[in-house]
Amino acid sequence: EVQLVESGGGLIQPGGSLRLSCVASGFTFTDSWIHWVRQAPGTGLVWVSRIIGDGSGADYADYAKGRFTISRDNTKNTAYLQMNSLTAEDTAIYYCAKTPVGVASAVDAWGQGTMVTVSS
Amino acid sequence: QSALTQPASVSGSPGQSITLSCTGTSSDVGGYNHVSWYQHHPGKAPKLMIYDVTNRPSGVSHRFSGSKSGNTASLTISGLQPEDEADYYCSSFTSRHTYVFGTGTKVTVL
Repeated sequence: EVQLVESGGGLIQPGGSLRLSCVASGFTFTDSWIHWVRQAPGTGLVWVSRIIGDGSGADYADYAKGRFTISRDNTKNTAYLQMNSLTAEDTAIYYCAKTPVGVASAVDAWGQGTMVTVSS
Repeated sequence: QSALTQPASVSGSPGQSITLSCTGTSSDVGGYNHVSWYQHHPGKAPKLMIYDVTNRPSGVSHRFSGSKSGNTASLTISGLQPEDEADYYCSSFTSRHTYVFGTGTKVTVL
């Protein structure tokens, strides 16, 4: 069974940093690109970032560039999202998701999400 | 990158067909055949319903179909059922090698 389990969320003060983790199981991790998507309370899904299977390339939404860094450790079947200089606008549930084999443009499995709250 | 435009809500009676729209620009929806649709029941993980405009993953009902014309993609749900009540989001690859989601449509089964 495919599973993605996020962790690392919590309450953080403005200006602080958090590192989210996404542990994968049930599929060949290197065959999939990993995306991070977020959803602020009462709003819709917003794309954050993605990293390709071997970790050699990544893309970011404009608001994440320079503040967030996506990475992966294929020996641990784990992806990460390092988030710095956090503001209240970053408060959201953060989901990791994987692409199907041979399809780079969609994700077919999601974790349950980890909540990040930025507040003083 | 602005979110793709979706109607806030669409409703229909059981058995009816409804169509959800997703409007972008030539830099996203209109420029690439990389539009996906996701069903999201609150509190649960989103589910992929359509990818690359028209492709349905295995296990997704044939009642769901996708299409695209110009800068607007569409998701049609045929034979509407109570379990189809959910939020639906489109997503597209963009010319900046990023992705953008739509604003979301709440589907209500009357």
